[in-house]
Amino acid sequence: GENVEQHPSTLSVQEGDSAVIKCTYSDSASNYFPWYKQELGKGPQLIIDIRSNVGEKKDQRIAVTLNKTAKHFSLHITETQPEDSAVYFCAATDSWGKLQFGAGTQVVVTP
Amino acid sequence: EADIYQTPRYLVIGTGKKITLECSQTMGHDKMYWYQQDPGMELHLIHYSYGVNSTEKGDLSSESTVSRIRTEHFPLTLESARPSHTSQYLCASSESTANFDGYTFGSGTRLTVV
Repeated sequence: GENVEQHPSTLSVQEGDSAVIKCTYSDSASNYFPWYKQELGKGPQLIIDIRSNVGEKKDQRIAVTLNKTAKHFSLHITETQPEDSAVYFCAATDSWGKLQFGAGTQVVVTP
Repeated sequence: EADIYQTPRYLVIGTGKKITLECSQTMGHDKMYWYQQDPGMELHLIHYSYGVNSTEKGDLSSESTVSRIRTEHFPLTLESARPSHTSQYLCASSESTANFDGYTFGSGTRLTVV
């Protein structure tokens, strides 16, 4: 089955710096890769996604890259702000169409 | 604005009590899911449903049960709560595979069993 690994588990960045979270997946049939942001006391919210026929996608300060050959994808947050502090999850579809989630990354943006 | 609703948001209950966590969605999604999330962050799938009268156990074994009598409603029940059931429970829903666009999560129920 699909196995998604996510690194790092915690990430502390200075406000204004960039943050990068990396994930790898095992199932070459995976074709959809979303990223979720979970703020304290809330459920995860979809922030950006990418499909297997695209290598990169950008939405303002966040971008996702996908390398299908290497089976890894990354989330990039530029010009980080305190409101970017949250837990971030990557995910990939498994052969049943369900999402397999990474273990999560706690991002702390310090002023 | 949430299209998937979980109630209650917080619940403190005594050992041995029966509880039902409610989850409803207004998006007409066929698929619904229950996740357990501990303070360690990881999301553990405990139940899922692909439609009415369809329920399956997830990757993490759970003593809870679920039902799917209506498309919009996917309640989770614990017949006899124990302190080990203390956790955050998240409900989610999604489109069928052809229009798959990720999951929409509810805000969660924080359950504490004393």
